[in-house]
Parts: sequence; C-alpha cells; structure tokens
Amino acid sequence: AQSVTQLGSHVSVSEGALVLLRCNYSSSVPPYLFWYVQYPNQGLQLLLKYTSAATLVKGINGCEAEFKKSETSFHLTKPSAHMSDAAEYFCAVSVKGGKLIFGQGTELSVKP
Amino acid sequence: DAGVTQSPTHLIKTRGQQVTLRCSPKSGHDTVSWYQQALGQGPQFIFQYYEEEERQRGNFPDRFSGHQFPNYSSELNVNALLLGDSALYLCASSLKGLVDGNEQFFGPGTRLTVL
Repeated sequence: AQSVTQLGSHVSVSEGALVLLRCNYSSSVPPYLFWYVQYPNQGLQLLLKYTSAATLVKGINGCEAEFKKSETSFHLTKPSAHMSDAAEYFCAVSVKGGKLIFGQGTELSVKP
Repeated sequence: DAGVTQSPTHLIKTRGQQVTLRCSPKSGHDTVSWYQQALGQGPQFIFQYYEEEERQRGNFPDRFSGHQFPNYSSELNVNALLLGDSALYLCASSLKGLVDGNEQFFGPGTRLTVL
C-alpha cells in the first residue's frame, strides 16, 4: 500500500536560511507526488506536483522538490525563507483513482 | 473564476446530532472528494464523487455519507455525531477525477466542533 512519511513534525529556520522539508514515500508503482501548504485556518494550496516528466520540479513561491527513486524521497527545498513561509506543509501521494494519501505534516517556523 | 467554496465555515453540534456540509467545486470541475483533518494531523480521505456516484471510499463508517448533484456540487452528511468527529472537513475538486495523479483544488474547509 502506498504511504507517505514526513520526517520532522516541526522545523525552525531563520529568515533567509535554506528550508528543507523531508518526505519519503512508499509505492509499488511510479508515484504521483504533491506538496501542499496550509496557512492557519485555511485550506490546502498546491505548491508543486511530480508526474515523472522531470525529476526536479519547480513550484510556486520559489519552492522546488527533487524526486529520487533510489531513495524513495521527494524533499521540498526553498533557498531563502521568508516570514510569510511559516505554515504547515504536507506531502501527498496520489493513488489509484486520484485519491490523495497525506503525510502527517511539517510545521515550518521562521525566526526573524 | 471562483475556486472551491464550502459552507458553513464553522459549525457546533452536540453528540448524536446530524450535520450536513456543502461544497461547490471549482468552475469546470466534475469530481469532488472529501477529507477529514483532525487537529495536528494530515487530511484523511473520506470518499469521492463522480457522475453523481460514490466512486471511492476511505476507512470511514457508514455514518458518513454523501451526495453529488447534477451541477457537480456535493454534500457530506454525518449522522450520530461523536466527539471524535470534531475536525476540519475539506472538500477538493478535480477534473475527470478517476485519473491517477489529477491535481485537486481544495476549499477553505468547514470546522466542525462536536460537544
């Protein structure tokens, strides 16, 4: 069965520092992978999506993620954190029929 | 272009009551999925509606039911509410929803509190 594991329920960085949010997946077939962001009291916003067209995927807000099949990983990075990046981030895998399976989430804090 | 809308925004119910949540999909979308997000957790898939039929279902009891209307909007009904049903309920819409990897667009959610 497909699943997603996000390492680190809470990540704290300083403003301007590199952001790295970790996601590992389990899938018996080539996966479709997503990163979503959730700001307080809001729904989920899609940051980026992997569909096997390219291993390095660029998304909105300067985010990117690299699909590494050998490591079954899809980590999200952003070169420079802004205060406005503070939010909850979810990695998800799309399984048969379009259903999404989400990780537990990583809360990102940005210190001034 | 309106995105996914949900109503109401917040709802407070007592144990044993029934609740109905509503969702209008993004313009042009024909598939609606519902997710439950408990506090501090990732969203959990409840079910998906396409062509007015439930197409997929997650690990939720029969107390959770839904409906999709001809205009693609959807309702989520929960009967015999339990304290554990307190959560943020998210609706997501997509196009031709049974396709693997389809991008889903989420609404702002309905916060349900069961007392």
